[in-house]
Amino acid sequence: SQQGEEDPQALSIQEGENATMNCSYKTSINNLQWYRQNSGRGLVHLILIRSNEREKHSGRLRVTLDTSKKSSSLLITASRAADTASYFCATESNTGNQFYFGTGTSLTVIP
Amino acid sequence: DAGVTQSPTHLIKTRGQQVTLRCSPKSGHDTVSWYQQALGQGPQFIFQYYEEEERQRGNFPDRFSGHQFPNYSSELNVNALLLGDSALYLCASSLANGVGEQYFGPGTRLTVT
Repeated sequence: SQQGEEDPQALSIQEGENATMNCSYKTSINNLQWYRQNSGRGLVHLILIRSNEREKHSGRLRVTLDTSKKSSSLLITASRAADTASYFCATESNTGNQFYFGTGTSLTVIP
Repeated sequence: DAGVTQSPTHLIKTRGQQVTLRCSPKSGHDTVSWYQQALGQGPQFIFQYYEEEERQRGNFPDRFSGHQFPNYSSELNVNALLLGDSALYLCASSLANGVGEQYFGPGTRLTVT
């Protein structure tokens, strides 16, 4: 079974609003990554947060990690229609070399 | 700087046949991972290759096998295809001594009829 679960499964917001999606995972990790996927094509790496980090920023993205709760959140601020995509969290196990993806959040940003 | 490339883009095969998918990693990368993504699901880890060896494997049957060549490119082979093997197959490359960031190719859409 997949390691991570994203919540919500789907999210629809107006352009300019913030979007928050959450990820929970099951086992100890080296790092957690967020990816974006458009229309069933390849995934684009957004941001990586290590297990010893609690928060990371990249442009309009903010990621938090709570290893005690085994959860992470991705915040996209000032959303744009072009942010419409599926977003996945992925964890690298602390044994290394195995990556587990969640089920994804489908984000729709309405112009 | 060439990104990850995969071929073919689309493929239709018949149940019971065999298929080979190909991947060229991003320039400078030495590790290739393969994923299967069913419609509406997240990618599932199949296996990872480094130094021409399978380094790690997910929960996939032996019908799924792979190979990595000296130039770091890789192939995914699936034997005795089942209808349930229909999916998007994604290849990702990374650096063995990197931080774990993976770069994905556009995928190969396999349909088994």
